[in-house]
Amino acid sequence: AQTVTQSQPEMSVQEAETVTLSCTYDTSESDYYLFWYKQPPSRQMILVIRQEAYKQQNATENRFSVNFQKAAKSFSLKISDSQLGDAAMYFCAYRSARESSGNTPLVFGKGTRLSVIA
Amino acid sequence: GAVVSQHPSWVICKSGTSVKIECRSLDFQATTMFWYRQFPKQSLMLMATSNEGSKATYEQGVEKDKFLINHASLTLSTLTVTSAHPEDSSFYICSARPFFYEQYFGPGTRLTVT
Repeated sequence: AQTVTQSQPEMSVQEAETVTLSCTYDTSESDYYLFWYKQPPSRQMILVIRQEAYKQQNATENRFSVNFQKAAKSFSLKISDSQLGDAAMYFCAYRSARESSGNTPLVFGKGTRLSVIA
Repeated sequence: GAVVSQHPSWVICKSGTSVKIECRSLDFQATTMFWYRQFPKQSLMLMATSNEGSKATYEQGVEKDKFLINHASLTLSTLTVTSAHPEDSSFYICSARPFFYEQYFGPGTRLTVT
């Protein structure tokens, strides 16, 4: 079974600075998807960024980018120019890309709580 | 973007009663919907996966007779907590998948059982 590990329960960053959240995963599959979700105090889960394992290029979305190291099974999230609105719980998630896995749910890490200091 | 709604957003019920939570995909059809439970400051715990027109698949340890899931159409899934007890108090989140890899989440329902 796949597992996702987030080793940093809490992180903090100064406003306008850069922070990196760590995520490692364990799988025997070669094709899969990785995600970072943000859960602000409202508790609405928001997709931050997605990475397909077959793509070597790291995904980026505005101030958010990932460092995907497939061999190391590492998938870190970098937030640049941090803003107060970035304060939230961040979850790393894995999903198989097998053709028969249309029902395969996301496997979540335990989350990292990010605080942004003004 | 794809929107998933949940109703109610907060419900209080008495111990022993049943409560139904609705999850709707507003602008897409979802063949698969997922139900999660989240305790304070913890991650999402998958309860069950449901497909339209078929029985839900429950995760190990989740009582299927207590948490009834019905995926009646491509836009609606319901979770009924039967004979609720205070330990069922939690935050319940549904999620719907319109595409092969994308997944969208509802805003969640806070259940308090008194």
